[in-house]
Formats: sequence, C-alpha cells, structure tokens
Amino acid sequence: DGGITQSPKYLFRKEGQNVTLSCEQNLNHDAMYWYRQDPGQGLRLIYYSQIVNDFQKGDIAEGYSVSREKKESFPLTVTSAQKNPTAFYLCASSPMDSRAYSNQPQHFGDGTRLSIL
Amino acid sequence: AQKVTQAQTEISVVEKEDVTLDCVYETRDTTYYLFWYKQPPSGELVFLIRRNSFDEQNEISGRYSWNFQKSTSSFNFTITASQVVDSAVYFCALSGSNTGNQFYFGTGTSLTVIP
Repeated sequence: DGGITQSPKYLFRKEGQNVTLSCEQNLNHDAMYWYRQDPGQGLRLIYYSQIVNDFQKGDIAEGYSVSREKKESFPLTVTSAQKNPTAFYLCASSPMDSRAYSNQPQHFGDGTRLSIL
Repeated sequence: AQKVTQAQTEISVVEKEDVTLDCVYETRDTTYYLFWYKQPPSGELVFLIRRNSFDEQNEISGRYSWNFQKSTSSFNFTITASQVVDSAVYFCALSGSNTGNQFYFGTGTSLTVIP
C-alpha cells in the first residue's frame, strides 16, 4: 500500500543531543513537509521541500534542519539548539500539480512523539 | 496574511446528535483552497474534503456536509447523527494561490461523542 512512514513512533532526547526523525513516502509525491503539533496550537510548519535537493523554511525552522537527497525521503533533525523540542511531529507529502494553484491535499504519516529525558 | 480560526476548542455531543464545527478564515488571495482533516487518537491526519474559492456549492458525503460561505469567510462542517467513531480532533486548513502548497491550519476542535 502507498503511504507515508514515520519512524520511530516515540523518541527520547537527552540534553544537548541531536536526534533525527525519519519520513519516507512511496506515493511518488514531489512535495514533502514537516509540522510540529503542540496541544492547543494546531500544526505549525517547520520545513518543506518541493523538489529534491531544495527546501524552504517554514514558520518555526529555528533549531531544526532537513535534507532532501531522495524524492522518497525527508528526514528532520532536531538539534540541541531547539530548546523546547517536546512535541508531536508530523510528516506530510503532496503531489505538485502542473497547474499553478491546484493546492493538492497533503497526506500525513502517523507521527513521531519526541520527549526530553 | 493567511489565518484560520476554529473558535470551538472542545465539543461534546451525545450519540446521534448533529454537530457543526465552525471554521473562519482570512486571506487576501482571490484564489484559495480550504480543507478539513480528521485526527483520530492514533495521530494521523485524514483528509476529508477540499474546496476552492470559486465553488460555493455545499457538499454532502454520507453523514458529513460542508457549508462554504465566502460572504462570511466560513467553511463549516456538520456531522449528522454523530457516532462514537467520529470522536477526534478536526482541523480546518487554508492554502492560498500565492503560498505554493503551504497550508495554514486552525487550532483544531476536539469532538467527543458520548455513547
């Protein structure tokens, strides 16, 4: 079945440690996204990528980094600079339509819950 | 600026009651898209519907219906004869013609259906 796989489901980070969240999709989507979800705050965009080897910062990119070396993969690294990393992280993907303003629905993974030890 | 407001933080209804989830949006774009997603306890967001700004027809899909009114910048979601399986957090989202495929989400409405 096609879909988005996020791993691990639960992750714990020690102070001063970088951790990497995995996101893989087999939907052949060009665009991929990372969101952070905190209680009562909805989803906030961290980074997004519309094409391999290119990505843009979202609203809350500080303390995070990404790479897009393959179309299928968009890993997110939570660096030690992110002082409040405890949250639920969601990865999404969508096709990029040839039309300018199609705004295709985003498809989401099951999420990774990150906590501080 | 793009903004989505879901003023209802939590709603509880008894099974078989109808319930309406409100969504109000702000955008300067003339072309934009509105979405509803459902987030069950498992965490994954499930896509429910997409509407573009030129299509104000209401839509019905089984027990779900959506009312889009540009005059009030609202895109409300009604569940008819609610069921326990409808219990989830529901998000409304907006994407504008000048924002690529970047979505702006509301803060969500947590719906609990009591058996």
